[in-house]
This record gives sequence, structure tokens and C-alpha cells, in this order.
Amino acid sequence: EVQLLESGGGLVQPGGSLRVSCAASGFAFNTNAMSWVRQAPGKGLEWVSAISGSSGGKYYADSVTGRFTISRDNSKNTFYLQMDSLRVDDTAVYYCAKLRGPDWNVLCFDYWGQGALVTVSS
Amino acid sequence: QSALTQPASVSGSPGQSITISCTGTSSDVGAYNSVSWYQQHPGKAPKLMIYEVSNRPSGVPDRFSGSKSGNTASLTISGLQAEDEGDYYCSSYTRSSTPSYVFGTGTKVTVL
Repeated sequence: EVQLLESGGGLVQPGGSLRVSCAASGFAFNTNAMSWVRQAPGKGLEWVSAISGSSGGKYYADSVTGRFTISRDNSKNTFYLQMDSLRVDDTAVYYCAKLRGPDWNVLCFDYWGQGALVTVSS
Repeated sequence: QSALTQPASVSGSPGQSITISCTGTSSDVGAYNSVSWYQQHPGKAPKLMIYEVSNRPSGVPDRFSGSKSGNTASLTISGLQAEDEGDYYCSSYTRSSTPSYVFGTGTKVTVL
């Protein structure tokens, strides 16, 4: 059974930093691309970032480029989102998701974690 | 990376069929067979319902179906049931210098 478990959410002041983690199990983690998707309170889904199985490819939405960094540790079946220079509008539930598909241009998010709430407020 | 356009709400009675549209551009929905659909119940994580325009993952009822024509994709729920009530989002790969994905604005489905 595929399981994704986020951790590391919390309250942080504007301009601060936070790292959220996603521990994976139930599938071949080191061969799967993974992604972060966020959802602001009462709003829709927004893709944030994705990383290839080997970490050779790391991709970001324009809204977080230069501030967020995605990484993974295949020995721990865990991947991360380091969030720096946080802004109030980064407040959201951050979901980790497993990507499925033969190539980047046909991927879908086939399994999701339960989400980690990140609140940016003074 | 503008969001794909979905109707804010769609409703139907049990047993009826409803269709949710997802309109993008020739740089996303129209360019790739990557449209996927997600169901989200309040306070829960999204769940994949359709991938690659019209494929259903194992375990998703066959009353859910997907299609695409030009820059618009559609999700049809036939034989609507009470448990189908929730929010639905489409998603597509979008043409960019690096891989990028865009979601729809979301549609609230109400079973009357």
C-alpha cells in the first residue's frame, strides 16, 4: 500500500524559513518522480515543485522559484521542500504527491499525503 | 501559468449525469494528452479519478469518464451518487522551458 506522510508544518513569520518533509512507503521510491502541491485556505490546488527519481531534474512554479528548494534522500525514502523568504501568501496546506507516467508531459499525481499546514503570519 | 477554467458549481439529482468542463489553451490542454481529474472531499487530500484524458485508475467506478476536444477537457459522472459530492479539479502539463503543471479553478459538485 502506497503511503505518504508529511511533517514539518507550522507557524513562521514573514521572511522566515521552514522545511516540510514527506516520508514514502509501499513503492519503489528511488525510481519515482515526486511533487509538492499546495492549497491556500478555501482556495484551489496549485502545483509548487517536482523532482525526478534521481534528483537530476528539479522544477518549480514561477511563484516559488528562487525561494523554495526541493530535494530527496532516496536512502531514507523521503523528500523535502525547503521554504525560504516566506510570504503571507505562502500560507497553505502543502501536499506531497507521487507522480505517475512515462514522461514528464503525461504525468499525473496518483497518490497524495494528508497535507501539512504552513501558516506565515506575524 | 494561469489556472485552467472550470465552472464554479454543478449539481444534479441521484442517478442523473453531469459534466464538468475544463478549458485551457493550446499550450496545455490542447497540446498534451496529460489531463487528469481529482476529487476532493472537505478536509481530505485529493484523489486521482482520471489520468491521461480518459483512463481510470484501479478502484475508480466506471461511472466516471473523461474526454477532450481541442482546448477543453470534460469529466462526466453518470448515475450520480451521494458520495460523488465534493470538489473536482482538472490538471494538465503546460508548455514551458521546464516541466510545469497547472490545475483548474475547481468545481463544487452538489448532489440534490
